[in-house]
Amino acid sequence: DQQVKQNSPSLSVQEGRISILNCDYTNSMFDYFLWYKKYPAEGPTFLISISSIKDKNEDGRFTVFLNKSAKHLSLHIVPSQPGDSAVYFCAASPGAQKLVFGQGTRLTINP
Amino acid sequence: DSGVTQTPKHLITATGQRVTLRCSPRSGDLSVYWYQQSLDQGLQFLIQYYNGEERAKGNILERFSAQQFPDLHSELNLSSLELGDSALYFCASSAGGGNTGELFFGEGSRLTVL
Repeated sequence: DQQVKQNSPSLSVQEGRISILNCDYTNSMFDYFLWYKKYPAEGPTFLISISSIKDKNEDGRFTVFLNKSAKHLSLHIVPSQPGDSAVYFCAASPGAQKLVFGQGTRLTINP
Repeated sequence: DSGVTQTPKHLITATGQRVTLRCSPRSGDLSVYWYQQSLDQGLQFLIQYYNGEERAKGNILERFSAQQFPDLHSELNLSSLELGDSALYFCASSAGGGNTGELFFGEGSRLTVL
């Protein structure tokens, strides 16, 4: 049972444009959501998070949007830079203990 | 550098064998988590320890076991290995026992079972 789904395995965006990565979840008990970024041969690193009491959280070029009614969140990167090329994992937590991760989306920023 | 250290980085072994993966959490972190990433899969939560005690369990096989020692390092033991156990095994740590904050991941241990 895949509780957190990232339906796009890959995404290619031109440098300077907006990258939008999507994530859907099924468990209504999830109340905390995070995005992690992973480069090859490295562990995932935390990027940005959002609590279910908010619908938007912004950190520099990165913004996460949460639509609770649709059980959907998205990560916007504006403007996209070559260094943003990585695998992005969406994760969700029911407030305690384990994070549940999606399968990841490989983002490629083209010059 | 996340501050989380995992050894070994790479391990090749045969089916039926037993291996131990080791993790040292960030200084001061009490929680250790183990995740498995198989080919083209997301990170699957295996188990969490907090200050030496098991806190949460995920999709961990009975052939797998883990523990956290008094110095807070953790070991993941994988036995009776099968080809399908080939994967990247990540350890992560966090300061508290709850999981509303970020996890700090190590670089992973790549296990290949032949």
